Amino acid sequence: RKEVEQDPGPFNVPEGATVAFNCTYSNSASQSFFWYRQDCRKEPKLLMSVYSSGNEDGRFTAQLNRASQYISLLIRDSKLSDSATYLCVVRGSGGSNYKLTFGKGTLLTVNP
Amino acid sequence: EPEVTQTPSHQVTQMGQEVILRCVPISNHLYFYWYRQILGQKVEFLVSFYNNEISEKSEIFDDQFSVERPDGSNFTLKIRSTKLEDSAMYFCASRAGRHGLAGGGEQYFGPGTRLTVT
Repeated sequence: RKEVEQDPGPFNVPEGATVAFNCTYSNSASQSFFWYRQDCRKEPKLLMSVYSSGNEDGRFTAQLNRASQYISLLIRDSKLSDSATYLCVVRGSGGSNYKLTFGKGTLLTVNP
Repeated sequence: EPEVTQTPSHQVTQMGQEVILRCVPISNHLYFYWYRQILGQKVEFLVSFYNNEISEKSEIFDDQFSVERPDGSNFTLKIRSTKLEDSAMYFCASRAGRHGLAGGGEQYFGPGTRLTVT
């Protein structure tokens, strides 16, 4: 099983649509969870951290289910500017070095 | 807003040559990282660095790779003898890491150096 596995995509949605991304991780001792976005040939940019209680930032909602080792990201009322690759990222257990493990990403294209 | 910077943005080198990729982390950050991304593949961890020493490295980070913080601001990645398969985007990241400070866990990435080995 891959360490971090995401929907392969790509997703093509119209403006205003709601889109959900799913992610699973294999290491049950993982400590922290994040969603990053990456535009073509650019660096990953932190979108939001993911907490067990679930968290929301405007149109974005992230959920974490530790028992199922499952993370999700929901984007409501999608905009053209949301077009990017969405990366599910997990921080491993142990130590203080905070190594991040990335999923391969899911490409989202929002169409006018 | 403080940001991580990297130079050069693009480096072309011949196989067997040495390259040094440079990064300036965010000024009050304590933890530094290098990642790489081969075109079309996922971002992969290379090495983490804290208190002037390597704290963890991946199996990719073999004897051909080294890191250094030569002064109070720069953080460098050296590849001694480049191979074709070293062609990738190399990202530097930094993290504040101060206990008790909100946001100390998040890593912030620089814009990357695209390394092309011919």
